Amino acid sequence: DQQVKQNSPSLSVQEGRISILNCDYTNSMFDYFLWYKKYPAEGPTFLISISSIKDKNEDGRFTVFLNKSAKHLSLHIVPSQPGDSAVYFCAASGLGGGSNYKLTFGKGTLLTVNP
Amino acid sequence: EAGVTQSPTHLIKTRGQQATLRCSPISGHTSVYWYQQALGLGLQFLLWYDEGEERNRGNFPPRFSGRQFPNYSSELNVNALELEDSALYLCASSLDGNTEAFFGQGTRLTVV
Repeated sequence: DQQVKQNSPSLSVQEGRISILNCDYTNSMFDYFLWYKKYPAEGPTFLISISSIKDKNEDGRFTVFLNKSAKHLSLHIVPSQPGDSAVYFCAASGLGGGSNYKLTFGKGTLLTVNP
Repeated sequence: EAGVTQSPTHLIKTRGQQATLRCSPISGHTSVYWYQQALGLGLQFLLWYDEGEERNRGNFPPRFSGRQFPNYSSELNVNALELEDSALYLCASSLDGNTEAFFGQGTRLTVV
C-alpha cells in the first residue's frame, strides 16, 4: 500500500518556465511534508518542508502548496533552471511519534529542465 | 560541520554472504534512519534508531538488522544476501523531535 504517491515518473520543462511536481498521500495521520532533491550517485538533499497548519511555504524559487482536504501537495519551481534537473522525492511524516514517526517517500519524479 | 557520512561507498558481495554498512550522523543528531533505494522502487524505509533503541522498522525480512551505538553512529547488517538486495542504501539523521532528515551519500551494495 503506497501511502505517498508521485504519479508522474518524469517531467520535462523549458528553462525559465515553471515546474510543478505533484504528490498525493493517503494516510490522514501525516502532518509534515518534505521535498528532497536527488542527483545521480548522491544522497537526497532536503529542499523545503511544510506542516499541516500551513497551506503554503516559500523559499526562493521553491514553493510548496498543501491541500489537506485533497491530501495533495505540490512543489513549484519558478523559474526553472537546468541545474534543477534531478529526481524529486516527496516525503511525509506524522509528528505524533510511534509508528508514524518516520519518513515515507514517494517513488520520485525525474525533472529535466532543458536549456 | 560534517554531514552524515556512510562507509563504504561501494560494496560487492556474493550471494549468501553478509554485508555491514556504517553510518555516522550529524553531530548532535540522535535519530538515524536507513533506507533502501532499489531500481524503480524509490526510497523504502528500513529502520529507525533513536537513543540506541530500534523505534520502527519497515517491511523487510529479519535478515535486515542493525544497531545504534552510544555515540549514535549506526550499523546496518544484511545477512544471507540475495541478488535483489543490490541497491543504494541511504542513511539519514535528524534531531530528536525534528523530522527533517539529512542524508548521507549512500552505500552502493552489489550482490553477485
